[in-house]
Amino acid sequence: ETGVTQTPRHLVMGMTNKKSLKCEQHLGHNAMYWYKQSAKKPLELMFVYNFKEQTENNSVPSRFSPECPNSSHLFLHLHTLQPEDSALYLCASSQGLAGVSNYEQYFGPGTRLTVT
Amino acid sequence: EDKVVQSPLSLVVHEGDTVTLNCSYEVTNFRSLLWYKQEKKAPTFLFMLTSSGIEKKSGRLSSILDKKELFSILNITATQTGDSAVYLCAVQYFGSARQLTFGSGTQLTVLP
Repeated sequence: ETGVTQTPRHLVMGMTNKKSLKCEQHLGHNAMYWYKQSAKKPLELMFVYNFKEQTENNSVPSRFSPECPNSSHLFLHLHTLQPEDSALYLCASSQGLAGVSNYEQYFGPGTRLTVT
Repeated sequence: EDKVVQSPLSLVVHEGDTVTLNCSYEVTNFRSLLWYKQEKKAPTFLFMLTSSGIEKKSGRLSSILDKKELFSILNITATQTGDSAVYLCAVQYFGSARQLTFGSGTQLTVLP
C-alpha cells in the first residue's frame, strides 16, 4: 500500500466508448503524474500536474484528456481509443516536481486497460 | 537524446545467489538516479542516488552510483524467490522538459 489508489483496476472498452480512470493520493503530495506502460517497453510519461496545473504533456494524443481538480485527485478521460492504447496506466505522486528537486515518486497499482 | 540502458534484460538465478544489475545513462543535467522494484503492477521505490561512491543499503539490497562513468549497479545478496521482479532504473534531471527517463528494466527470476 503506497498511499496512491487507482480505480478501476481493470477496464475493457470498445473504441467508441468514453471512460475515465481515477487516481487519488493520500500523501499530501503536490505533484501527480500519468504514465503508460506497454508490454516490453519502458514507462512513458504522459502528463504532469503540479499544484493542479498541468506542466507537461508529453505529446499525448488528444483522445487522452487529463483532469486535476485538486492536488489529491487526478483523472484520465478516454474516448475513441485504439487497440494499441491497451496498456497498464500508472498514476504517481511526489511531494514536489521530480525534475525540480530530489522528490521520489510513489506509484499506484495501475489500471489494466484493454481496448477492443 | 537522453538514454537509460539496463543490463542484462533478464536473469535467472537460484536462491542464495548474488546478482548485480546494471544501469548506464546518458542524460544532460543529471540530478539523481532511482531504482524501483516492480512485481505485478506498481513499482516500489528502492533507492535514490545523487552522489558518486556512496553506497545505499537496505537489507540484502545495495546500490552505488558512478557519476564519472555514468552508471549505477544494484546488488542483491542471498537472493530469495520473493526477489523475483522487474527492476527499473530511472534518471531525474534538472528542468521541466521531462521528469524521469526510465530504462527497460531487468527481469530477475529466482528459482527455489
